[in-house]
Amino acid sequence: EAQVTQNPRYLITVTGKKLTVTCSQNMNHEYMSWYRQDPGLGLRQIYYSMNVEVTDKGDVPEGYKVSRKEKRNFPLILESPSPNQTSLYFCASTRSGGTGSYNEQFFGPGTRLTVL
Amino acid sequence: GIQVEQSPPDLILQEGANSTLRCNFSDSVNNLQWFHQNPWGQLINLFYIPSGTKQNGRLSATTVATERYSLLYISSSQTTDSGVYFCAVGRSNAGKSTFGDGTTLTVKP
Repeated sequence: EAQVTQNPRYLITVTGKKLTVTCSQNMNHEYMSWYRQDPGLGLRQIYYSMNVEVTDKGDVPEGYKVSRKEKRNFPLILESPSPNQTSLYFCASTRSGGTGSYNEQFFGPGTRLTVL
Repeated sequence: GIQVEQSPPDLILQEGANSTLRCNFSDSVNNLQWFHQNPWGQLINLFYIPSGTKQNGRLSATTVATERYSLLYISSSQTTDSGVYFCAVGRSNAGKSTFGDGTTLTVKP
């Protein structure tokens, strides 16, 4: 089954304790992205990746790191989490149109993070 | 960056009614998608529609790229249609994507 998986689905942590949220896709997509969703603010893009070893900042990258060492995986790293990073996080995977076009996004189930 | 505005922000319907949701964007785009976020938080793809018209059952969508808007039509609404509807836009050869703030739809039995 084609899917995007995220782990963990729920996480409660404390300020300053490094954490990683994993994201994996089995569709051989080139593009992957991370978003956060906060009440009243919709989804905001944190980082995106166009291919292995190619990443770029989205609209809200501060406090986050990403890496793309393999095509299927795109982990999100919070090196020193703070309470304002409490949010619902989504990973997405996008099929490339083959000519560089950026097509349909498929989303993972979300990770609900609470930083105390 | 591109600005995306969705309207109305909230919509309450009786089961069986029809509705139209709108997405306006501030610049030319090559990618536009509509999503439904169900009450459990799952984001479900509805349409990938950078231009033209598509239909899927009771739902249809139209994007007029030259006028920078897209419409999502829901006919004969059901309680299971409740949730938040988002549009997301972007340009080709870039990974950036911008979401609107969504329309919260409540369908009452």
